[in-house]
Amino acid sequence: KAGVTQTPRYLIKTRGQQVTLSCSPISGHRSVSWYQQTPGQGLQFLFEYFSETQRNKGNFPGRFSGRQFSNSRSEMNVSTLELGDSALYLCASSVTQGVYGYTFGSGTRLTVV
Amino acid sequence: QQQVKQSPQSLIVQKGGISIINCAYENTAFDYFPWYQQFPGKGPALLIAIRPDVSEKKEGRFTISFNKSAKQFSLHIMDSQPGDSATYFCAASKQGAQKLVFGQGTRLTINP
Repeated sequence: KAGVTQTPRYLIKTRGQQVTLSCSPISGHRSVSWYQQTPGQGLQFLFEYFSETQRNKGNFPGRFSGRQFSNSRSEMNVSTLELGDSALYLCASSVTQGVYGYTFGSGTRLTVV
Repeated sequence: QQQVKQSPQSLIVQKGGISIINCAYENTAFDYFPWYQQFPGKGPALLIAIRPDVSEKKEGRFTISFNKSAKQFSLHIMDSQPGDSATYFCAASKQGAQKLVFGQGTRLTINP
């Protein structure tokens, strides 16, 4: 059974650019959540998508956005990148809404220079 | 506001010893407390989880102890092995919140 797939694994962007990260959930999982992991702030919730709708959003600026497609794959976008956006971005999928049975991907390491 | 406080930040244990990591929470509405294990280059993986209606849950060498009145819970790793060397995160969630609040993590090193 394939796990959660995140692409790309590594990304280097320049301040001011925008970036799109992709997450393919486990087959049959309909909920995708995104988290940001940094050494200083730890793991912080970004947003959750279920049935193509954003169900919950964390305390991040509007530059962070996402969407979910009909096949449950999700993308997140960060516009006008700042140095502080450098982080490991993790997505987690689950069968239904909520945190039970979360399976995390290996993440996308974003470096903003 | 940090809602889940985890300690220690780092821990070194000899092989065969007991590793203990502690977490404290503030929000009494939390009703789900999982522990995650993360290896370098990987995402967190669920180890074990507990709900506040039980005081202890054991799965193999891993045990969660839960103290509802003190708002604390801890992870005990018995017979610690070098392969257990990883970063461990406690977390909490409340029904309907659909998100996890994580502790800051503990880097565990098991010396052979």
